[in-house]
Amino acid sequence: QKEVEQDPGPLSVPEGAIVSLNCTYSNSAFQYFMWYRQYSRKGPELLMYTYSSGNKEDGRFTAQVDKSSKYISLFIRDSQPSDSATYLCAMTSDYKLSFGAGTTVTVRA
Amino acid sequence: DAMVIQNPRYQVTQFGKPVTLSCSQTLNHNVMYWYQQKSSQAPKLLFHYYDKDFNNEADTPDNFQSRRPNTSFCFLDIRSPGLGDAAMYLCATSRGAYEQYFGPGTRLTVT
Repeated sequence: QKEVEQDPGPLSVPEGAIVSLNCTYSNSAFQYFMWYRQYSRKGPELLMYTYSSGNKEDGRFTAQVDKSSKYISLFIRDSQPSDSATYLCAMTSDYKLSFGAGTTVTVRA
Repeated sequence: DAMVIQNPRYQVTQFGKPVTLSCSQTLNHNVMYWYQQKSSQAPKLLFHYYDKDFNNEADTPDNFQSRRPNTSFCFLDIRSPGLGDAAMYLCATSRGAYEQYFGPGTRLTVT
């Protein structure tokens, strides 16, 4: 079993829809949770970072962490074509990130 | 703007010809990482430096080496690239065990 499992997608949604991305993990030592956005042939860009259970909002993005269920989510409201990318969840308890495999999202205009 | 810079962005090398990729950062982070990312896969950690302390992943091939001459710079040396080493190489930095910031990557082609 992988340490981090991410819904594989791909996901295709119409512009303006809510995008929901999910990851589960097995290592209860993970304390820090991140979401990265990666455009094709570019490096991952840090979108959201949190270390506690609950919700964290940043503009159209909401990160949700449920440590009791070992489940994290990213919601994108009012999705735009520019949100089309691969989204990677990542988590760590020290210096090494464990990544999900990524979900490719396409927002159709 | 503070950032992670990688050079070159694209590198073509011949099979077996040594190649060096470079990374610099203006974030003044104490931890620097090198990842390998192949198409449609998550980044795979090769090694990281915590300050000057080098930490190699157990499954990183001996063909891959790294140097960190100072806080700002880190190099990835591939001594004898094979066709299987063609990938995107990503440098990242962090301040301690917190969020990591990635550079734009160097896409390596091996001919």
